[in-house]
Amino acid sequence: KAGVTQTPRYLIKTRGQQVTLSCSPISGHRSVSWYQQTPGQGLQFLFEYFSETQRNKGNFPGRFSGRQFSNSRSEMNVSTLELGDSALYLCASSLKASGPETQYFGPGTRLLVL
Amino acid sequence: QKEVEQNSGPLSVPEGAIASLNCTYSDRGSQSFFWYRQYSGKSPELIMFIYSNGDKEDGRFTAQLNKASQYVSLLIRDSQPSDSATYLCAVNPRGGYQKVTFGTGTKLQVIP
Repeated sequence: KAGVTQTPRYLIKTRGQQVTLSCSPISGHRSVSWYQQTPGQGLQFLFEYFSETQRNKGNFPGRFSGRQFSNSRSEMNVSTLELGDSALYLCASSLKASGPETQYFGPGTRLLVL
Repeated sequence: QKEVEQNSGPLSVPEGAIASLNCTYSDRGSQSFFWYRQYSGKSPELIMFIYSNGDKEDGRFTAQLNKASQYVSLLIRDSQPSDSATYLCAVNPRGGYQKVTFGTGTKLQVIP
């Protein structure tokens, strides 16, 4: 099976712009979670989608939003970018069938805000 | 108090030794626990998960869970230089569809 894919891999934006990141989960996986990773804060949970519904949300401002499509692909959007939004954005998918929820991470999108 | 705490390290061990990585969590009702390995510049990859008290072994890796003391550890036997990475502990607080909380990770250096 193909793994989790994320596009684009690298992105440079300026303050005030907006950005959309895309994630395609492993085939058959219906849950997609998004994380922000920075050197100082580690991996921080943004939100999780399952069957096109946001089920969980982390402590991020409303500038961060996301959605999931019927094919389980997901997008996240960050509006009015700030310098502090520079980070590695990771997407993870899981089957959400039963048992411990093992997540499989994509390669990430590295966002640099200038 | 952070929900999931790890010593940031670096933890340095000689090649062939046992590396012991520890993680404590605050939510006593937490259900499942994961260890991920992250090489520099790469995304996390799952090593193993555990959800019952006791030990779980997978090759050179052993996860240990003690719910009464609220800690989970990862032992790496016969450490190799290729094990040098940051190890992330993750906790699923209440099982089901709850979000997973990650620790900030422990950097492990295996010295040849």
